Amino acid sequence: GAGVSQTPSNKVTEKGKYVELRCDPISGHTALYWYRQSLGQGPEFLIYFQGTGAADDSGLPNDRFFAVRPEGSVSTLKIQRTERGDSAVYLCASSLGGGLDTQYFGPGTRLTVL
Amino acid sequence: EDKVVQSPLSLVVHEGDTVTLNCSYEVTNFRSLLWYKQEKKAPTFLFMLTSSGIEKKSGRLSSILDKKELFSILNITATQTGDSAIYLCAYYQAGTALIFGKGTTLSVSS
Repeated sequence: GAGVSQTPSNKVTEKGKYVELRCDPISGHTALYWYRQSLGQGPEFLIYFQGTGAADDSGLPNDRFFAVRPEGSVSTLKIQRTERGDSAVYLCASSLGGGLDTQYFGPGTRLTVL
Repeated sequence: EDKVVQSPLSLVVHEGDTVTLNCSYEVTNFRSLLWYKQEKKAPTFLFMLTSSGIEKKSGRLSSILDKKELFSILNITATQTGDSAIYLCAYYQAGTALIFGKGTTLSVSS
């Protein structure tokens, strides 16, 4: 079956621009997670959705970052007024029901802010 | 503060060698520890460990958890060049988010 997919695979933007990153989870998975990974670091939690609602957004670094999952499937991570420090790989993961269910990761989007 | 520390940060071995990767953790409400393999970008799930002393095995890879000493090891026997990757250790925080260590970068030369 299809795994988690993310688009685009690479995104280059200029400082100050707005970007949207998309995640398509495994079909039937109710839990969806966004992580950010900088060079030499492990993935860092951003936000967790259970269904359509954000159950935990404590990892979002500031109010320039926002994510939605309007129909409980596809999610979009939105970054306003991008900064060079936002450059990283943005990973999406999904799990069957959340909690301690295994999280399966997508291939990520490499964001470069010039 | 809860944390997970992996060692070594990087390792270079020859094909056929056996390697042991370490993960120590300090977690106030421990539930489970996970290992992932990351090649290119997507972390791939390897093991989830919940109970102490029970080895999990998959082919040449195995892992065990010690809840008394608060660490886990990942063993890879008869390494191959395809084992070259970053190996990530993580735990569940409050049953939702995964908190990762920095990873161990393994390079296997032929």
